[in-house]
Amino acid sequence: DARVTQTPRHKVTEMGQEVTMRCQPILGHNTVFWYRQTMMQGLELLAYFRNRAPLDDSGMPKDRFSAEMPDATLATLKIQPSEPRDSAVYFCASGLGRGFNYGYTFGSGTRLTVV
Amino acid sequence: KQEVTQIPAALSVPEGENLVLNCSFTDSAIYNLQWFRQDPGKGLTSLLLIQSSQREQTSGRLNASLDKSSGRSTLYIAASQPGDSATYLCAVGQTMNYGGSQGNLIFGKGTKLSVKP
Repeated sequence: DARVTQTPRHKVTEMGQEVTMRCQPILGHNTVFWYRQTMMQGLELLAYFRNRAPLDDSGMPKDRFSAEMPDATLATLKIQPSEPRDSAVYFCASGLGRGFNYGYTFGSGTRLTVV
Repeated sequence: KQEVTQIPAALSVPEGENLVLNCSFTDSAIYNLQWFRQDPGKGLTSLLLIQSSQREQTSGRLNASLDKSSGRSTLYIAASQPGDSATYLCAVGQTMNYGGSQGNLIFGKGTKLSVKP
């Protein structure tokens, strides 16, 4: 089965350090999302790309977060500097177009802990 | 702004029982609705996808219905098993822009299901 691959699966870092999370979308998918999941807020959209172009990053704290797609096979989410409140599970999802026919497929997530 | 609500937040049932999970959304301008399952510490597994033009979808013991006009979807699980224990999330794919673009998925906070042997 095709799947979305996220690395690393777990990351523990100290406050102030840079964190980079990576996502390999399913081959051929042209839409990529980054979501953050916390107990309090549930799943929140951080960024949204189609054909590698950012469509919406309004949910992302711009001063410390950045999301890019250097090529069609890689999406990255960076936090610099990291803060304890960034501790969460970060999910990447990919799909074709607006996901109208097939929906979206999620990766297993990166569990980030900032101490 | 689209809001998705899932009731109940948690549910505990004995094995073998049929059950219904509810999802409601405030804006009917959606083009599909997707139900996911999430096991503790794991990612999201897609269960069923319903297009806005459809009324229901079935997969094995799962049946999802959609009433777009009333802003509701239900996930029916027949003959529940302990292996069904997980958190179930619904997400709507919205058609309108809310400071973003079409295709954004808006999630509910989930229903945590526990099926007792």
